[in-house]
Amino acid sequence: NAGVTQTPKFQVLKTGQSMTLQCAQDMNHNSMYWYRQDPGMGLRLIYYSASEGTTDKGEVPNGYNVSRLNKREFSLRLESAAPSQTSVYFCASSEESTGIYGYTFGSGTRLTVV
Amino acid sequence: DAKTTQPTSMDCAEGRAANLPCNHSTISGNEYVYWYRQIHSQGPQYIIHGLKNNETNEMASLIITEDRKSSTLILPHATLRDTAVYYCIVRTNSGAGSYQLTFGKGTKLSVIP
Repeated sequence: NAGVTQTPKFQVLKTGQSMTLQCAQDMNHNSMYWYRQDPGMGLRLIYYSASEGTTDKGEVPNGYNVSRLNKREFSLRLESAAPSQTSVYFCASSEESTGIYGYTFGSGTRLTVV
Repeated sequence: DAKTTQPTSMDCAEGRAANLPCNHSTISGNEYVYWYRQIHSQGPQYIIHGLKNNETNEMASLIITEDRKSSTLILPHATLRDTAVYYCIVRTNSGAGSYQLTFGKGTKLSVIP
């Protein structure tokens, strides 16, 4: 089925370790997003890519980097993981940067930093 | 940025209509209202959006007041599978033609047998 695929689904890191969360969409969407969701909270935007070749900071970008590898793929990197980055990470895509037709979300990556 | 206010939680009897309210009193004239839902720990799912007119699709109806300061999402015949957190979002223009969705805490809807 068409959609947004995130890998891995679960990950446990030690403080200071690095890792990259992968996201790929097969809907030919131009815009992609990374959100984090802490327990009992709404989603907060980390970074977004309005189109291939561009990335911009969202509400909570500190401690993260992103790469829009091509039109399909948008990765999120934690260079030195901290316990405060324990969260569920969601990737999303939209047809164009206005998002007027809505976002499609992946199923999430559950990250625990110990 | 326009903010939204939603009740923290609501209950609805199975088979009845679920009416979820949302206040967005600071909304600008060209800002859209979106509704998403999140079932358990899955990724949010798009439901519906609107600007001024009422909208209906296969999932729900969206009623927007004439002054656009509030809206109501209606699930006409709620089922147990509609139990979820429902987010009312005003899409904000972050400049250079780029828009973002800002999620609040939403309303937890519990559909009761």
